[in-house]
Amino acid sequence: GAGVSQSPRYKVAKRGQDVALRCDPISGHVSLFWYQQALGQGPEFLTYFQNEAQLDKSGLPSDRFFAERPEGSVSTLKIQRTQQEDSAVYLCASSLEVGNSPLHFGNGTRLTVT
Amino acid sequence: DAKTTQPNSMESNEEEPVHLPCNHSTISGTDYIHWYRQLPSQGPEYVIHGLTSNVNNRMASLAIAEDRKSSTLILHRATLRDAAVYYCILRDVVNSGGSNYKLTFGKGTLLTVNP
Repeated sequence: GAGVSQSPRYKVAKRGQDVALRCDPISGHVSLFWYQQALGQGPEFLTYFQNEAQLDKSGLPSDRFFAERPEGSVSTLKIQRTQQEDSAVYLCASSLEVGNSPLHFGNGTRLTVT
Repeated sequence: DAKTTQPNSMESNEEEPVHLPCNHSTISGTDYIHWYRQLPSQGPEYVIHGLTSNVNNRMASLAIAEDRKSSTLILHRATLRDAAVYYCILRDVVNSGGSNYKLTFGKGTLLTVNP
């Protein structure tokens, strides 16, 4: 069946530009997560949604980062006024339930800020 | 989340078993042990999880020490497609104050499989 889909796969932005990254989770999955992964590091938690509610945004590095999931399915991570330190792979994951359900990850969007 | 300690890297030969260790000496009674792996240019992939008893699935086996302070992920016959970074993660789904949902990744173990 279809897994978690992320688009675009690659994004190059000039410093100061705004970007929007899209995540299509597995249909029916309640939980949705965004992670940021720098080169050579493990993924770092950014934010979490349960249906349309954003229950945790403690990992967002600055107020330039904003995420939404208005209808409880597709989610968008927006980064305003991109900086070079924002260059990373942004991973989206979904899980069927809250709690111990495994996370299903997409293949990420690689963002390069020049 | 309680922390885990894994070797930075390990090497194995194709078609041989691989034992990937993980230490978690500060594990609490409600922490589940989860393993994920990440192949090059892909997102992490769930492998297996357990609480106290050893677990088997089609991908791997998880052996958990009796005191739960360590565990071992076992790949019974390594293939070239098993070359990846393997992450051992503790997940408390009971006592995290509502934040039981997220996984906290470390740096993992880079497994190289030689042909």
